[in-house]
Amino acid sequence: NAGVMQNPRHLVRRRGQEARLRCSPMKGHSHVYWYRQLPEEGLKFMVYLQKENIIDESGMPKERFSAEFPKEGPSILRIQQVVRGDSAAYFCASSPGQGDNQPQHFGDGTRLSIL
Amino acid sequence: DAKTTQPPSMDCAEGRAANLPCNHSTISGNEYVYWYRQIHSQGPQYIIHGLKNNETNEMASLIITEDRKSSTLILPHATLRDTAVYYCITRGAGGTSYGKLTFGQGTILTVHP
Repeated sequence: NAGVMQNPRHLVRRRGQEARLRCSPMKGHSHVYWYRQLPEEGLKFMVYLQKENIIDESGMPKERFSAEFPKEGPSILRIQQVVRGDSAAYFCASSPGQGDNQPQHFGDGTRLSIL
Repeated sequence: DAKTTQPPSMDCAEGRAANLPCNHSTISGNEYVYWYRQIHSQGPQYIIHGLKNNETNEMASLIITEDRKSSTLILPHATLRDTAVYYCITRGAGGTSYGKLTFGQGTILTVHP
């Protein structure tokens, strides 16, 4: 039973480019969450999505960041016009449902480096 | 979600039980207690969760006090591979905020040979 798959594992971009991070949830999971971990800091929630819907985006920066979870295919976190401060590890998690009794399971993350 | 307090670091000898405490004195009646760990720079790994009763799985045991204001994660026979940052998180209370996990600073557990 495959876990949460994130790709790429490492991504290098120059300032001003776009970064696309992909997340395939565990089989049977329809809820996806994105978190960001800046260097030497804790994980911070960014966005919570169900298929084709954004449920909570309270942790998303107001500009340049967007997320989607289409009916078919992986969830995508998109960062436009990247800046040095976007360098971080981005983790995706998934759960089968929305209940508080449903653990989130994490992928191994995408390490984004901005030159 | 209720705020949690954990010691910043703990040591444990290999083969001994590791007991990691967590204080969540403001927890509400319908909030669960979750434990995760993060080894090196890997993704957080789910360990265990509970509401009122003590829980046990293949990884650990979770002891929740009767008033639910604190809990203890027990790794019965710690190994070097258990060296990690351990996070105690409360989750629940409904509304649109119930989806996210709020990570604190956690406890750095170091297991010594």
